[in-house]
Amino acid sequence: SQQGEEDPQALSIQEGENATMNCSYKTSINNLQWYRQNSGRGLVHLILIRSNEREKHSGRLRVTLDTSKKSSSLLITASRAADTASYFCATAVPYGNKLVFGAGTILRVKS
Amino acid sequence: EAGVVQSPRYKIIEKKQPVAFWCNPISGHNTLYWYLQNLGQGPELLIRYENEEAVDDSQLPKDRFSAERLKGVDSTLKIQPAELGDSAVYLCASSLSGGDTEAFFGQGTRLTVV
Repeated sequence: SQQGEEDPQALSIQEGENATMNCSYKTSINNLQWYRQNSGRGLVHLILIRSNEREKHSGRLRVTLDTSKKSSSLLITASRAADTASYFCATAVPYGNKLVFGAGTILRVKS
Repeated sequence: EAGVVQSPRYKIIEKKQPVAFWCNPISGHNTLYWYLQNLGQGPELLIRYENEEAVDDSQLPKDRFSAERLKGVDSTLKIQPAELGDSAVYLCASSLSGGDTEAFFGQGTRLTVV
């Protein structure tokens, strides 16, 4: 079973535009992480936000976390063709200390 | 520093045959995960190790799947016998300390059962 659900399932934008992906989850968490996966490759960690944090930045990435709504968003600013990939949120649940992934958002950035 | 290494990258086998996957995690990482990823879906946890102990294997189909982590380092995942529905990508990941820290993934093994 998967804890997180990403929205939208797929997103297509022009290079230079911003891309926003959302993640909703069901249970309490210790932290929430975002990963990127290029076609046919393994997952790459992007950013981790802890349950007591509300916003975090890393380069062109901005992540927000609303624990009252059990949701998170990932914003990629000034997107590039190289950002084309699948993006997954993963939640670290308190009991079991494991990472549970959502189904992902497929982002396509057109040049 | 080398990342997580998995082998083989690709494997094609006939149904009912056995298959094994190997994973070498990042040195010093206590936590090792095996995930299964079907096309267009997110990774699903099969088993998690803390050092050499399997602490979460509730999603592992134990009638045909087995795993071990020798001396708390390398790990192997075995399927015997394989079924058509086992065709997927098998991902290995490691982290310093469970879900509290970021996970590093290998490139995965793409299994095709024919």
